[in-house]
Amino acid sequence: DIVMTQSPDSLTVSLGERATINCKSSQSVLYSSNNKNYLAWYQQKPGQPPKLLIYWASTRESGVPDRFSGSGSGTDFTLAISSLQAEDVAVYYCHQYYTTPLTFGGGTKVEIK
Amino acid sequence: QAQLVESGGGVVQPGRSLRLSCAVSGFTFSNYAMDWVRQAPGKGLEWVAVISYDGSNKYYADSVKGRFTISRDYSKNTLYLQMNSLRPEDTAVYYCARGRAGMYDAFDLWGQGTKVIVSS
Repeated sequence: DIVMTQSPDSLTVSLGERATINCKSSQSVLYSSNNKNYLAWYQQKPGQPPKLLIYWASTRESGVPDRFSGSGSGTDFTLAISSLQAEDVAVYYCHQYYTTPLTFGGGTKVEIK
Repeated sequence: QAQLVESGGGVVQPGRSLRLSCAVSGFTFSNYAMDWVRQAPGKGLEWVAVISYDGSNKYYADSVKGRFTISRDYSKNTLYLQMNSLRPEDTAVYYCARGRAGMYDAFDLWGQGTKVIVSS
């Protein structure tokens, strides 16, 4: 199974500051035939289902603010929030869909300082 | 608009069965792979199972293999999860989710979830 390891577990950032979340996979999720990283990021607010933010490691889902960006390739990935807003308080998960069993990172809780 | 609505959760004793449903609307059900993902209380997300757009391929997490069965009914636009031999560790909110463009893709649409509690 591909193990997804997120860091940090929690993050406290001031409004307007940058937040960065890391995700490392135990094996590459880059599919060589199409050069795509099978990696997504989700945001989950309390009492709500997850919401897709980023897929293919760096493609922003329609309607997602451009302060959210994804980067990385192979086994190391990053989700960045360029200027944290109050509504960004949530838990963020990375997810590999390269192979079954599909797996998620343990989550990173983002709070306001 | 596209929507997923789960139902069928509840409190069940260990060893018993439960069937979850996920009613689909607002998009062509037969074009999409569908998954079940669960979240134990206060925990992270755990993928449970996937079924291909045509129902020909199904895959399961090891933790549920042999106990859970994913299926779909195109006439009813509904996804199912038959859960047998339930264990306390199956206690979770169960979400149905749509694969964005295939079985190996991100989940772009989620239901609100249905809660399953396995307890004597």
